[in-house]
This record gives sequence, structure tokens and C-alpha cells, in this order.
Amino acid sequence: DQQVKQNSPSLSVQEGRISILNCDYTNSMFDYFLWYKKYPAEGPTFLISISSIKDKNEDGRFTVFLNKSAKHLSLHIVPSQPGDSAVYFCAAPAWGTNAGKSTFGDGTTLTVKP
Amino acid sequence: NAGVTQTPKFQVLKTGQSMTLQCAQDMNHNSMYWYRQDPGMGLRLIYYSASEGTTDKGEVPNGYNVSRLNKREFSLRLESAAPSQTSVYFCASSPREGRQPQHFGDGTRLSIL
Repeated sequence: DQQVKQNSPSLSVQEGRISILNCDYTNSMFDYFLWYKKYPAEGPTFLISISSIKDKNEDGRFTVFLNKSAKHLSLHIVPSQPGDSAVYFCAAPAWGTNAGKSTFGDGTTLTVKP
Repeated sequence: NAGVTQTPKFQVLKTGQSMTLQCAQDMNHNSMYWYRQDPGMGLRLIYYSASEGTTDKGEVPNGYNVSRLNKREFSLRLESAAPSQTSVYFCASSPREGRQPQHFGDGTRLSIL
């Protein structure tokens, strides 16, 4: 049972428009989420995070929204730029004695067309 | 400003061979992790080390062993490689476990023939 799901394998948007990447989770015990960005042949890099005590976190062009009742989070990129073309992963760390165990979604490949 | 360094970057092995993937971080982080990524999938945790001297199994530990050599280094060993272990392996580190962004190396691409 995949506890963190990214149901869209790919997304294509025009430069300057909004990109919305979605992530769903099944375990209501998750209380912190992170988004990572990955370019080909490189490791993932941290992008933005959100705690369950918030419903929104913003960092420049990137905003993450959390809907706890729907167990859903989304990453908004506005405006999208060609350099944003990458694979985006959402991740949720476990808690307590399993705090080192993070669960990652399968990723969404974003293509931003000039 | 190296961050997390993984060696080697590429490796081809024959079934049954053994090898060790090396990982070192220079950020004075306490926690280190090994993941594998298969095509079209997310990262799956193999083993992690919350702090120097401790290691714990992740989601897919079978066929692997790890050693936290010191605070900087965390190695992953395949004792008898199998084709199912063909994957891209990522090492990561974080200041501590839990709600901490992880810093990743650029991966080791491993093929088992």
C-alpha cells in the first residue's frame, strides 16, 4: 500500500503559466511534508516544506498547500520557467522511533515549454 | 563545497559479485541514508543511520548491509549482487532524522548482469 501517491506521472505547461503538482497521502499521522526537485543525473534537492499546523507555505515562486481533511497537498509554481523542468517528489517523514524513515511519492515530471 | 559525495558514479557487476558503495558528507550531519530509485518510481529507503554508531533497516533492506564508519561516512555493501538490484542508488544526509530536509549525492548507477 503506497502511503504517498503522486497520481500524475507527467505535466506539461507553457512558460509563464501556473504549474500545479499534486500529492495524496493515506496515513493521517503524517504531519510534515517536503517537496524535492530532481534534474537528470543529479540527486534530489530540497525545495519547500510544510507542517500540518499550517495550510500554506510560500517561498518565492513556490507555494505548497495542505488540505488535511482531504489528505492532499499541492505545489504551485508561478510563473513557471523552463528551468523548472524536472521531476518533483513529495515526501513524508515518519515519527517517533521511525523518524528516519521517509516515504516518497513516485514523482511527477514537469516540462515547461518556452 | 562538496556536500554529499558518492563513489563510484557508475558500476557494472556480474551476478554474484560483491561491491561497496561509498558515501561521505562534509556538513557535520548526524543522520545518513541510502535509497534506491528504480525507473518510474520514487526513492525507497534501504537503510539509514540516525547517528554515528546506529543503523536501522528501511523499506527494502534485503540483500544489503551498511556500515556507519564514522560521522562522515556511510557505506552500502552488496554481498552477492542480483539483477534485481540494478538501480540508481542515492546517499543522503540530514542534521538529524525526522523533519529535516535531506541533502543528496548525485547517485551511483549500478547494473547487474
